[in-house]
Amino acid sequence: NAGVTQTPKFRVLKTGQSMTLLCAQDMNHEYMYWYRQDPGMGLRLIHYSVGEGTTAKGEVPDGYNVSRLKKQNFLLGLESAAPSQTSVYFCASSYLGQITDTQYFGPGTRLTVL
Amino acid sequence: GQQVMQIPQYQHVQEGEDFTTYCNSSTTLSNIQWYKQRPGGHPVFLIQLVKSGEVKKQKRLTFQFGEAKKNSSLHITATQTTDVGTYFCAGLVNTGKLIFGQGTTLQVKP
Repeated sequence: NAGVTQTPKFRVLKTGQSMTLLCAQDMNHEYMYWYRQDPGMGLRLIHYSVGEGTTAKGEVPDGYNVSRLKKQNFLLGLESAAPSQTSVYFCASSYLGQITDTQYFGPGTRLTVL
Repeated sequence: GQQVMQIPQYQHVQEGEDFTTYCNSSTTLSNIQWYKQRPGGHPVFLIQLVKSGEVKKQKRLTFQFGEAKKNSSLHITATQTTDVGTYFCAGLVNTGKLIFGQGTTLQVKP
């Protein structure tokens, strides 16, 4: 099993450009998450999904959109990138999102917005 | 809003010294999880504590969950260079969301 994979690994955008980050998991997990990690701020939840076709807002959703058309994939979109969105983005998944679940993280995408 | 505060932000120790990081929540947590992130890597699950007052050990690592389920600690005995990284606590709040602390970055001097 590959676990959780993310593409791309690195990306540089200019302000106003758009892009989509792809997350894929092969563990048949129901729940998937997108986080951003900034120095001194830990991991902050952007959006999450509790199953195919569903999405919900997390702690910092503004400027991002997501889609979960297939159970194994969770896409994070930036419609008009801003320098404040420069960050490392992590995708994670968990089996059912229940109290005893752990989250499995992907390797991350390092995004720079100029 | 709900917050999970983690201290210290950074800790430099000599190899062989002990290390502790603390996590405090403004609200009662359903459980608390601990993750380790190596430099340049991604967070990896270490352990989960669910019961009030629970203590779990993994070799040189000791994890505690407070009686009120609002705080937790991770203690490493006799640190080694392989312990280098950032340790995150993450509390599960009653909305079903996992709230991460800011992390403690540990540096170990050989």
